[in-house]
Amino acid sequence: GAGVSQTPSNKVTEKGKYVELRCDPISGHTALYWYRQSLGQGPEFLIYFQGTGAADDSGLPNDRFFAVRPEGSVSTLKIQRTERGDSAVYLCASSLNQDNEQFFGPGTRLTVL
Amino acid sequence: KQEVTQIPAALSVPEGENLVLNCSFTDSAIYNLQWFRQDPGKGLTSLLLIQSSQREQTSGRLNASLDKSSGRSTLYIAASQPGDSATYLCAVSNQAGTALIFGKGTTLSVSS
Repeated sequence: GAGVSQTPSNKVTEKGKYVELRCDPISGHTALYWYRQSLGQGPEFLIYFQGTGAADDSGLPNDRFFAVRPEGSVSTLKIQRTERGDSAVYLCASSLNQDNEQFFGPGTRLTVL
Repeated sequence: KQEVTQIPAALSVPEGENLVLNCSFTDSAIYNLQWFRQDPGKGLTSLLLIQSSQREQTSGRLNASLDKSSGRSTLYIAASQPGDSATYLCAVSNQAGTALIFGKGTTLSVSS
């Protein structure tokens, strides 16, 4: 596609439930990033993929968060046992390679009730 | 730990003014610096990327400078327009180039 796409655009879930957020990067981009943005704050880094492997997962807040990119294209961010504090906008970005310009998707707004 | 600060937090100007947004960072060991624009409820739009070896980049009415040694970048917007109203975010990459560290942004309002 022309840009980074993310689905769903909005997700409302109950505390304790499991959610999956999907990211489709720009075709041909080998690097993929996940960020989380809370109201009034800049995005915070979660995880970076180079190809299929998670090259830097230092931003994941705890082991309830996990992400995969099995074929080096689409990525899924998975959150287990969601908590109200997980409510935020989850942003995905991709770049041609790791030191290039990052292009962001529109984000998924996650609300945990 | 790298920290990015953007000043001012908010700025209101009349249409046609030239303006400067400031960004500072605490660790000069960066790979690159990127400026973004974010409209309310939307994702981020990349404006300019400055590699660590560069001093500035220009795109249309936008000019961004980088002084790595002093830990500063500025985004200059010439002849501002109401359509420039948005939040502008500055982000620096870590030295490995695996993550961007963002400031909280400057919210710009341009009145007609």
